[in-house]
Amino acid sequence: QSALTQPASVSGSPGQSITISCTGTSSDVGGYNYVSWYQQHPGKAPKLMIYEVSNRPSGVSNRFSGSKSGNTASLTISGLQAEDEADYYCSSYSSTSTVVFGGGTKLTVL
Amino acid sequence: EVQLVESGGGLVQPGGSLRLSCAASGFTFSSSWMHWVRQAPGKGLVWVSRISSDGSSTSYAESVKGRFTISRDNAKNTLYLQMNSLRAEDTAVYYCASQMRALPFYWGQGTLVTVSS
Repeated sequence: QSALTQPASVSGSPGQSITISCTGTSSDVGGYNYVSWYQQHPGKAPKLMIYEVSNRPSGVSNRFSGSKSGNTASLTISGLQAEDEADYYCSSYSSTSTVVFGGGTKLTVL
Repeated sequence: EVQLVESGGGLVQPGGSLRLSCAASGFTFSSSWMHWVRQAPGKGLVWVSRISSDGSSTSYAESVKGRFTISRDNAKNTLYLQMNSLRAEDTAVYYCASQMRALPFYWGQGTLVTVSS
């Protein structure tokens, strides 16, 4: 149950786009389309932003989008806004019938 | 409105036990698979356990297997996590979450468990 690999931090200026990668294996990210992305502000509970690789729950801005290629999933945030500054986590279903999370990425809006 | 409210956290000595509860409302709890996820202070999210809607299927992270037990009472709309043989490394905020498409969806606000002498 190794954690998925995410960059520790990314940054961007307001209005720009950023992409956060999430690398796993063929036993998790590469083997299933069950990949989700979560946003977590300090002291708050995580919030689902993307599910099934690229689907947005109701109420989530269309500035957030997801994709996957092979064993790597990606979250792209376009038109960066100050309120997007948060920690972001990916997660995937795994072949062992468990769930694995990424280590998290801190997004800084400059 | 979906609500998940965790309770039962607190300070416990190493080797001790604790039972967490998660009261659910605003959705059909008895039809939903549920998860526990934890987050150590200043660290990332770590998946702990999952249970099927009827309680017949469970799975655990290797780090808690044999020590933690997930269960549910659909009549009471409540999810549980029985934690035994607690270790310092179990110190974390524990979140319950409902499932959508195999992964956590709605999350509660969490309850803090501190394992220390």
